[in-house]
Amino acid sequence: KQEVTQIPAALSVPEGENLVLNCSFTDSAIYNLQWFRQDPGKGLTSLLLIQSSQREQTSGRLNASLDKSSGRSTLYIAASQPGDSATYLCAVNPGGYQKVTFGIGTKLQVIP
Amino acid sequence: EPEVTQTPSHQVTQMGQEVILRCVPISNHLYFYWYRQILGQKVEFLVSFYNNEISEKSEIFDDQFSVERPDGSNFTLKIRSTKLEDSAMYFCASTDPRGNGDEQYFGPGTRLTVT
Repeated sequence: KQEVTQIPAALSVPEGENLVLNCSFTDSAIYNLQWFRQDPGKGLTSLLLIQSSQREQTSGRLNASLDKSSGRSTLYIAASQPGDSATYLCAVNPGGYQKVTFGIGTKLQVIP
Repeated sequence: EPEVTQTPSHQVTQMGQEVILRCVPISNHLYFYWYRQILGQKVEFLVSFYNNEISEKSEIFDDQFSVERPDGSNFTLKIRSTKLEDSAMYFCASTDPRGNGDEQYFGPGTRLTVT
């Protein structure tokens, strides 16, 4: 059974700082891994999807890395802004139209 | 860009009442899913659906829950007799039949509040 863990559970940083969010998963037989953003009481906004054959994926100030063999992914946010404050979720897709498994998320607060 | 839509955005119901949550998946998608997120907890899988059948269901998805594709566009989740613990955000997702289940596209969610 796939388990997804995210560390830290919460993070508070001053504006402008670079930061790293961590995600680990127990079963390395994944097809891809996706990072989502969730604002309080809202839905899931897809940020980055990284295929199991890829090592990195970038979008603007966001960079996601994947080390499938060790069961780890990181989301790097450069030059953080108050608007980045949200919960960031990691989700693992085994492919084959099976269910996606989510981590509980890291709650990020960027202080102006 | 095509997207998954869900209605209503917020539903308030009394304990014991039946609710139907509606989803319109992306038009050429054939695999459909429901997930839920209780406040402060993980997003968790409920059920997957393909070719008018349930493909997989979690232990949460007991006989109080049912899913249906009543027509060519809608996908519904019914809770027969709601309980307080059913209060959650419910997300619908769909997947393109091409590829290998590459990405699930999530709707904006329906917040269900059971009083």
